[in-house]
Amino acid sequence: QQQVKQSPQSLIVQKGGISIINCAYENTAFDYFPWYQQFPGKGPALLIAIRPDVSEKKEGRFTISFNKSAKQFSLHIMDSQPGDSATYFCAASGYALNFGKGTSLLVTP
Amino acid sequence: EAGVVQSPRYKIIEKKQPVAFWCNPISGHNTLYWYRQNLGQGPELLIRYENEEAVDDSQLPKDRFSAERLKGVDSTLKIQPAELGDSAVYLCASSFRGTSGFQETQYFGPGTRLLVL
Repeated sequence: QQQVKQSPQSLIVQKGGISIINCAYENTAFDYFPWYQQFPGKGPALLIAIRPDVSEKKEGRFTISFNKSAKQFSLHIMDSQPGDSATYFCAASGYALNFGKGTSLLVTP
Repeated sequence: EAGVVQSPRYKIIEKKQPVAFWCNPISGHNTLYWYRQNLGQGPELLIRYENEEAVDDSQLPKDRFSAERLKGVDSTLKIQPAELGDSAVYLCASSFRGTSGFQETQYFGPGTRLLVL
């Protein structure tokens, strides 16, 4: 059973545009919501994370929006760059991370 | 500071053969995870260690998979015998879990890409 549902599966954005990836979860016991970025042949690397006591967290061009009542959270990448082209995974956890299926982002020049 | 080290990076074996993966976590990290990532999917937890104790192995197929973390540092994941469906990337991650109980950042290694023919 997929505990975290992620959409879209793939995304194409022009350079300078905003990339938005959405996730939903079911388990209200989850208390940690990270986003990971993965390049081909590499392991996932933490991008940004949020806990449910805040509704938004911003780090540079990356922002997480969190809606506890809706059990949804999203990643916004502002001013998207070709170097952002990668696969992005949302996750939710108590102890172990439960990952979404990933979103393949392509930022075109 | 060195990251999580995994070896080998790639492995090709025939079905029914055994295979082993090795992981060296970040120094000082007391928690170690093994994940399996199928093509086009997110990682799925196989087993989690806190120090040398396996505290969550509910998703580990115990009929053919085994793991150990001797002395609470390095870890080995073994498959015997391998099946075609085991072809995947096996990722090791580590973190430091303190007394707060909060989830700490998991740092992933580059993974071992396994192909079973």
